[in-house]
Amino acid sequence: DVKVTQSSRYLVKRTGEKVFLECVQDMDHENMFWYRQDPGLGLRLIYFSYDVKMKEKGDIPEGYSVSREKKERFSLILESASTNQTSMYLCASSFGAQGFNQPQHFGDGTRLSIL
Amino acid sequence: GEDVEQSLFLSVREGDSSVINCTYTDSSSTYLYWYKQEPGAGLQLLTYIFSNMDMKQDQRLTVLLNKKDKHLSLRIADTQTGDSAIYFCAEIFGSGNTGKLIFGQGTTLQVKP
Repeated sequence: DVKVTQSSRYLVKRTGEKVFLECVQDMDHENMFWYRQDPGLGLRLIYFSYDVKMKEKGDIPEGYSVSREKKERFSLILESASTNQTSMYLCASSFGAQGFNQPQHFGDGTRLSIL
Repeated sequence: GEDVEQSLFLSVREGDSSVINCTYTDSSSTYLYWYKQEPGAGLQLLTYIFSNMDMKQDQRLTVLLNKKDKHLSLRIADTQTGDSAIYFCAEIFGSGNTGKLIFGQGTTLQVKP
């Protein structure tokens, strides 16, 4: 089975802090994704990566950056956390040989609160 | 533009069948997906259907695809209380390295004993 592991289930940080959310997958997938999920807004794509050191902006990249130094790990960085970044963050990965048509497999999510 | 729509809420009695509906916009979608999210958890891939199929059955789950109407449905037979969750339908919008997964808002399924 595909395993996507997010480092924290719950995280509480303060406004202005630099926050790192980590995601690791064990299936040698090329593609990795970061989403945020908010009530009434569904899932929105923040950033994705289709290869090591490659990154692409999703629909809502403002206030975020990402890092993909190794194939199995994809980090989401909140450069200066703000209260409107309080949300559930979901990481996903997929096999990438044929682009993005393969199913995405999700981690359990990190519920981040910014005080 | 890309859009996937679902009804927000469905309530059924234990043992009944549930049918969750979804409409999508991109007629070139190659795969369409159903995900399940239990409270406080991430999304679990339930099943998916390739666009050249009309139906796919997997134990209690049946997926129906009507490409002409761009309509996808998920039927859960003999619904159990453990099926209570949010169900998301999703389509791939675009192709190749520019494709992305577009999710519906999610349908909350409530199963009453």
